[in-house]
Amino acid sequence: NAGVTQTPKFQVLKTGQSMTLQCAQDMNHNSMYWYRQDPGMGLRLIYYSASEGTTDKGEVPNGYNVSRLNKREFSLRLESAAPSQTSVYFCASSEASAGKETQYFGPGTRLLVL
Amino acid sequence: DAKTTQPTSMDCAEGRAANLPCNHSTISGNEYVYWYRQIHSQGPQYIIHGLKNNETNEMASLIITEDRKSSTLILPHATLRDTAVYYCIVLTGNQFYFGTGTSLTVIP
Repeated sequence: NAGVTQTPKFQVLKTGQSMTLQCAQDMNHNSMYWYRQDPGMGLRLIYYSASEGTTDKGEVPNGYNVSRLNKREFSLRLESAAPSQTSVYFCASSEASAGKETQYFGPGTRLLVL
Repeated sequence: DAKTTQPTSMDCAEGRAANLPCNHSTISGNEYVYWYRQIHSQGPQYIIHGLKNNETNEMASLIITEDRKSSTLILPHATLRDTAVYYCIVLTGNQFYFGTGTSLTVIP
């Protein structure tokens, strides 16, 4: 049982390049989330997917798109990377039923945009 | 959004109890309080959560005041591996709002 996995672990991009961050969970959770964490800061929600086929904006969605490919996978796409998107990106999942909202996090993807 | 306020940093001697406070004065009646920790730059790790009653699990205890405006996370016997940033979070709807947390340093 791997929990939440993320690929890649590290990535360096040039300004304007695009990339997709991948996330998968094997806990049969309904909801999945993407966060970013800047140095010295807490996590901020970018997008979330309450269930397969649905996505919603979080606190900081600008510059990102997401796809809930199936129940297991939730990807985050940067169409045209900017230095301001240099951050650590965390994916999380939760069962999201009443009383079971605990989120479980992946190990993170460290992104540097030059 | 229910905001939380935590001290920026705390120290604790190894083997002693670590008591981490959190204020959440704007919390609504049906909002849960969650605690997570983050060691180095790893993904946040779930510790415990509660609504009104005090809670205990194998990692920690959570004490919530009767008016629910504040809570305390207790690590009963802190070890060096408990050095981390601890986040107190109020679950609003289905979203977590992380603050900057408390950086706990356990001292040998």
